[in-house]
Amino acid sequence: NAGVTQTPKFQVLKTGQSMTLQCAQDMNHNSMYWYRQDPGMGLRLIYYSASEGTTDKGEVPNGYNVSRLNKREFSLRLESAAPSQTSVYFCASSESRPSGTQYFGPGTRLLVL
Amino acid sequence: DQQVKQNSPSLSVQEGRISILNCDYTNSMFDYFLWYKKYPAEGPTFLISISSIKDKNEDGRFTVFLNKSAKHLSLHIVPSQPGDSAVYFCAARTNAGNNRKLIWGLGTSLAVNP
Repeated sequence: NAGVTQTPKFQVLKTGQSMTLQCAQDMNHNSMYWYRQDPGMGLRLIYYSASEGTTDKGEVPNGYNVSRLNKREFSLRLESAAPSQTSVYFCASSESRPSGTQYFGPGTRLLVL
Repeated sequence: DQQVKQNSPSLSVQEGRISILNCDYTNSMFDYFLWYKKYPAEGPTFLISISSIKDKNEDGRFTVFLNKSAKHLSLHIVPSQPGDSAVYFCAARTNAGNNRKLIWGLGTSLAVNP
């Protein structure tokens, strides 16, 4: 039982390049989330998927797209990376119990030059 | 406008003493509050939660208190241990339909000194 896994762990991009961050969970959770964490900004929600087949924007969706490939996988795509997207990206999933506890992956550190 | 505020960016405590981390919120519609701990280069890990209908929840060394009238919650760690040194995030859940989103505070960095 690996929980939430993310790949890659670290990536360097040049401005304008594209990439996809991968996330998978093996806890049979319905909901999945993508966050970014920047110094002094806490965790900000980029996109989320309440259930397979649905996706919705969070606080900071501009410059990103997502795909809920199946119940296990939720990917985040940067079509044309910008230096402002330098950040640490976390994927999370949550169970359906009322508490809504979210379980996080280890993060992807992205540097855009 | 921050709906969840952790006004102390950092806190330093002696090993064995009590650590008290505070969190204030503005939205009276939040129905669950959660605390997460985060070590450097790792994802946040769930610590403890409390429903808005309760005023206290305890789990081992960790206790969360909720004061709804003051829109304030606190996390008590007793006794504090050096391994508790981490960033602690307070989060509040909105339950708009089926969308269980969390609103996060900016975190408090706790240092427990041996």
